[in-house]
Amino acid sequence: AQTVTQSQPEMSVQEAETVTLSCTYDTSESDYYLFWYKQPPSRQMILVIRQEAYKQQNATENRFSVNFQKAAKSFSLKISDSQLGDAAMYFCALQGGSEKLVFGKGTKLTVNP
Amino acid sequence: GAGVSQSPRYKVAKRGQDVALRCDPISGHVSLFWYQQALGQGPEFLTYFQNEAQLDKSGLPSDRFFAERPEGSVSTLKIQRTQQEDSAVYLCASSRQKFYEQYFGPGTRLTVT
Repeated sequence: AQTVTQSQPEMSVQEAETVTLSCTYDTSESDYYLFWYKQPPSRQMILVIRQEAYKQQNATENRFSVNFQKAAKSFSLKISDSQLGDAAMYFCALQGGSEKLVFGKGTKLTVNP
Repeated sequence: GAGVSQSPRYKVAKRGQDVALRCDPISGHVSLFWYQQALGQGPEFLTYFQNEAQLDKSGLPSDRFFAERPEGSVSTLKIQRTQQEDSAVYLCASSRQKFYEQYFGPGTRLTVT
């Protein structure tokens, strides 16, 4: 069975500061993908960043970057220069063996002005 | 271009009624997924299609849940004899090819009274 654990139900950050959201996972697959999705209040889930497990280099997308530690099965998301529009639920997800995504329970991020 | 659309956006059903939820994927997307998201939780996989073939229905919680995608485009998730525990947001996602990014629709919020 594949599992994803997000141990921080809520996080807050000051505007323009940096915040890191944690995620750990478990899978027996050797080839898999990891994702961070953002779900703003009452809005659609959108992909923030994607990491292929076979790639050692950490993925980055503008202000968003990941710290992928394969041996530790850890996949944290760093948001730099936080903006008010970053406030949302953030879900870590795993895709391995089949196309379905396995999600964590989410972290609610609040950005304080 | 148009994203994934779902209808209705909100549905209230009395316990015991049948409901049908529709998903229009992005045109040309091969894979289509259904997820169930309970309040305050991450989405959980229900089923997925590759074109018209239902490849995995392991997440359907009971035989009251049924999904189809007869022509490989639009999909319908049907829930028979709805129960209160079926209350959730039902998310549809599509992807262009196997293991490509999944694009999510806005969801259908089902409330069973």
